[in-house]
Amino acid sequence: QPVVTQEPSLTVSPGGTVTLTCASSTGAVTSGSYPTWFQQKPGQAPNTLIFSTNRKHSWTPARFSGSILGDKAALTLSSVQPEDEAEYYCLLFYSGIWVFGGGTKVTVL
Amino acid sequence: QVQLVQSGAEVKTPGASVKISCRASGYPFFNYYIHWVRQAPGQGLEWVGTINPANGHTAYAQNFRGRVSMTRDTSTSTVYMEWITLSSPRSEDTAIYYCATEVSIGDFDYWGLGTLVTVSS
Repeated sequence: QPVVTQEPSLTVSPGGTVTLTCASSTGAVTSGSYPTWFQQKPGQAPNTLIFSTNRKHSWTPARFSGSILGDKAALTLSSVQPEDEAEYYCLLFYSGIWVFGGGTKVTVL
Repeated sequence: QVQLVQSGAEVKTPGASVKISCRASGYPFFNYYIHWVRQAPGQGLEWVGTINPANGHTAYAQNFRGRVSMTRDTSTSTVYMEWITLSSPRSEDTAIYYCATEVSIGDFDYWGLGTLVTVSS
């Protein structure tokens, strides 16, 4: 089964920008992997922020954006707010199955 | 509104029979795939598998293939997940199990609150 890799942790200052990445053991991540990004806060179910690389929900703050950067999927948080401190997971599609990354803990400090 | 109501917590010994459920409401049951995602204590998310409520077709992550089975009851708009081997569930299967709808590809729009399954001898 493929392995999806994310940065374990990142720290960002309030108002700053941080980019999380999502790499695949099988090679370059493309739009065909339908990268999805979730935010999870302690004690809560995950919340979908971005799907199909860069599509947002109505509840997704404008400061979150998804893209492909090089051979990875990326989630960029701009003008970071204290409430953005959370765990972020990416999810990739592989011919009928989905695989989560290990998650990135974002600390706002 | 769309709701996914999951069954209550389970405490089981290894290899015991365990079947958890997820009842969908607020939308046509056949419209969206339903996925199961688990999270062990203090750990990350793990995709378990999915079922197409329209025809019952399933797909499972490698770790769960042959160990779990997903089914659905169209009369009650409910999907189920159960362990199907004598050696499962194991203590490592202790986790919160979430169900979620996939409204369009990769869009896991609605989530249940989760079912805690504890496996301990």
